[in-house]
This record gives sequence, structure tokens and C-alpha cells, in this order.
Amino acid sequence: GEDVEQSLFLSVREGDSSVINCTYTDSSSTYLYWYKQEPGAGLQLLTYIFSNMDMKQDQRLTVLLNKKDKHLSLRIADTQTGDSAIYFCAAGGSYIPTFGRGTSLIVHP
Amino acid sequence: DTGVSQNPRHKITKRGQNVTFRCDPISEHNRLYWYRQTLGQGPEFLTYFQNEAQLEKSRLLSDRFSAERPKGSFSTLEIQRTEQGDSAMYLCASSLSREQYFGPGTRLTVT
Repeated sequence: GEDVEQSLFLSVREGDSSVINCTYTDSSSTYLYWYKQEPGAGLQLLTYIFSNMDMKQDQRLTVLLNKKDKHLSLRIADTQTGDSAIYFCAAGGSYIPTFGRGTSLIVHP
Repeated sequence: DTGVSQNPRHKITKRGQNVTFRCDPISEHNRLYWYRQTLGQGPEFLTYFQNEAQLEKSRLLSDRFSAERPKGSFSTLEIQRTEQGDSAMYLCASSLSREQYFGPGTRLTVT
């Protein structure tokens, strides 16, 4: 089955860019997602990309996909303290994606 | 607000008791999912409905767990004879296509 790996922590200064990385194992995964989870809350879908795309931009968010290396990244431009949260990468070919363990993003002044 | 809602938000129960959680999906969504999330982990898939049909169940869903979606709208997840290892956040999500929208979750603590 699919396995999704993420680094556990990322610390950035307010105003800098954040880049959160993710790798997956199943090359047949056609949908790749980024979710955000704030403390005590459910997951919020941020963006997703189809496997036939290399890049997707949505306001401050840029998703890059390297299908050959099975590597996905999420870049957050001009990171704000309100961006502090856990970010989950998910990958799948069916309706049920596999989630990574999440990257805890800490934004400090 | 027409997002996914879950009740209760928190449940504390003694080992051996039965618990039931409810999920109300976004009204036009025909797919509904249950996940379990423990501390430091991502959501783990439990089961999935399309309308009222339960299409897939994870091997995590032991015979103590049962889920229903009787009229293709709200869903319930019941855990019988709870164990301490059942302590987790239980998340519900719904979708019309591939994009899943999550509820706030029900946090279960088994003492």
C-alpha cells in the first residue's frame, strides 16, 4: 500500500517562506493533497494537485510535484503566525488517500 | 454554517462501555468517511460510505466497531466494549468528488 513520509517539525520566522516536503511510495497515486490542522480542530483542505501537473499556485500557496522522485512540496509565502499548525500531506489513487504523520509548522516573530 | 458536524465533541467513558458518535455531512455530499487519529499521527482510514452503502472497511475496524448510514445522510459509529486503546480522535469527512471536508472530530477518552 501507499506510504507517505514527512518531516515532523519546521520552524520559520514570520515573513519568510516555508517549504514543507513530503514523499510517497505508490507511483499510481493520482491525487495529492495538503491539509492543515489547528489545535483541537479537524483537517482543512488547503489544496490538491493531480499527478499530471507539476505545479499549482493558489494565493500564498505553491505546490510542486516531482512525479519521478515521488516528492511533493508545499511552499507558503510570507508566512504569518496564523499559519502555525500541523500540515498533512496525503496521496492516493482512489477515494481514500493515505495521510502522512504531519509536519508541525512553528512561526516565530 | 453548512460544514460537517460531529457530536459529541468529547466523550469520556469507562472501559467496557459502549459509545456512539454521530456525523452529519455536508448536505449534498454522497460520500462519507470515518477516520481515527491518535497523537502525533495522521488520520487512519476506518470505513467509507457511498450513499447508504458501506463500500470499504479497514482492518483497523475490528468486530467491536460498527458504522451505519441508514438513509444516506447522517452516519453513526458505534464502539462496543471500549478498550483503552480506543482512546483517539474520531474524524468524519464527506465529499462529492475527491476533495474531502472534515468535521471537528469527537475525542474519545477511555478510562
